[in-house]
Parts: sequence; C-alpha cells; structure tokens
Amino acid sequence: QVRLKESGPRLVQPSQTLSVTCTVSGFSVTSYHVSWVRQPPGKGLEWVGAIWKGGSTDYNSALKSRLSISRDTSKNQVFLKMNSLQTDDTGTYYCAKHPYFDYWGQGVMVTVSS
Amino acid sequence: DIQMTQSPSFLSASVGDRVTINCKASQNINKYLNWYQQKLGEAPKLLIYNTNNLQTGIPSRFSGSGSGTDYTLTISSLQPEDVATYFCLQHSSRYTFGAGTKLELK
Repeated sequence: QVRLKESGPRLVQPSQTLSVTCTVSGFSVTSYHVSWVRQPPGKGLEWVGAIWKGGSTDYNSALKSRLSISRDTSKNQVFLKMNSLQTDDTGTYYCAKHPYFDYWGQGVMVTVSS
Repeated sequence: DIQMTQSPSFLSASVGDRVTINCKASQNINKYLNWYQQKLGEAPKLLIYNTNNLQTGIPSRFSGSGSGTDYTLTISSLQPEDVATYFCLQHSSRYTFGAGTKLELK
C-alpha cells in the first residue's frame, strides 16, 4: 500500500530554515519521482520542487535560491529544506508521488511567526 | 513558466446538474493536464490524468477533455459528495496549478 507521511516543525521563526521529511512506503524513491507542493491557508497549490528517481532535482524558479531537496534511499525518505523563511511561507507542505501526483501525504502545517 | 487560468473561481450547482470547470494554459501543453479534488482539511486527490484518463476508483461521472491550451473537467450529474475545490495541473513543462474552483451545492 502506497503511503507518504510528512513530518517537521509546526512553528518556524522568520529568517530561519524549514526542514520537512517525507517518509514513504509501498514504493521506492529510487523507482518514482517525488515532489513537494505547498498551500497557504485558504489558497491554491504551488509546486515547490522535485527529486527524480535518479537523484537529481528540479526547483520552482521563484524559490530555487532558498531550496534544497535531498533523499536517504536506505530509509526511503525525501527531505525539503527551505531557508530565509518569511511569513508568506506559512502553509501546508505536502509530498506527492509521481507520475501524476497520484498519491499525497496528509501534509504538515507550518506557521512562520516569531 | 507556463501559467494556468482556471474558471470559474466559484460555482454553485444543484444535485443532478452538469458542471464544467475550465483551465486555460498560456501555451500549448500537449494534453499534459491533470485534475484534482480537494475536500476541506484533506490532501488533493487525483481524478483525471493526461486530459481524459480516469484514475482508478474515480466515479465515471467525472470526465475530462481538451487539447492545446484549453481543458475542461465535467461532472455529468453532481452528487453531494462532490462538494470540494477542484484544481488543474499542467505537467508539460515543470508543474503549474490552476487557482482552483470552489464547488458548492445550491
């Protein structure tokens, strides 16, 4: 059974770094790409970036300078790091399996506030 | 980057109505267009991929069509459980979501 689960801090201070982990089961991160998607409260969805099954990455051009996506294949985990957080980075962060974003985690709600 | 314009932003319809939601891309996306349903407090759920392919387990009242820059999601007979927000996603060049359509019962 395919499952994805995000974990990470619920509260991050402005200018600090967000670190979120996506733990997957039912498939290997070396067989399927995984993307990160975020959603501000009450708003739409924004693709953040992806790690391809071969290990290379691609990022939203608007966020690229602040982003890093990596993985631990032995633990079947994907990691999102975003630095220099501001209040408009507040939202729910999801990981989703490719192709087609057919499976999603339940998301982790992150608030950027002092 | 490809931009996606989704319409309408809000839709009110009655049970049994035929409902259509549209997405227009800023350039040809060659049918690389998916549709998602998101209910309050839940993650998005894939309904249709590559314009007109129904995801496993999705009711047949959902269908998709389109080509080039213009795409449509149709619900043939609206059911109460279809109340949700619907998003399109282009995956022709990176990934861009539409802004969403909030569907409510009249």
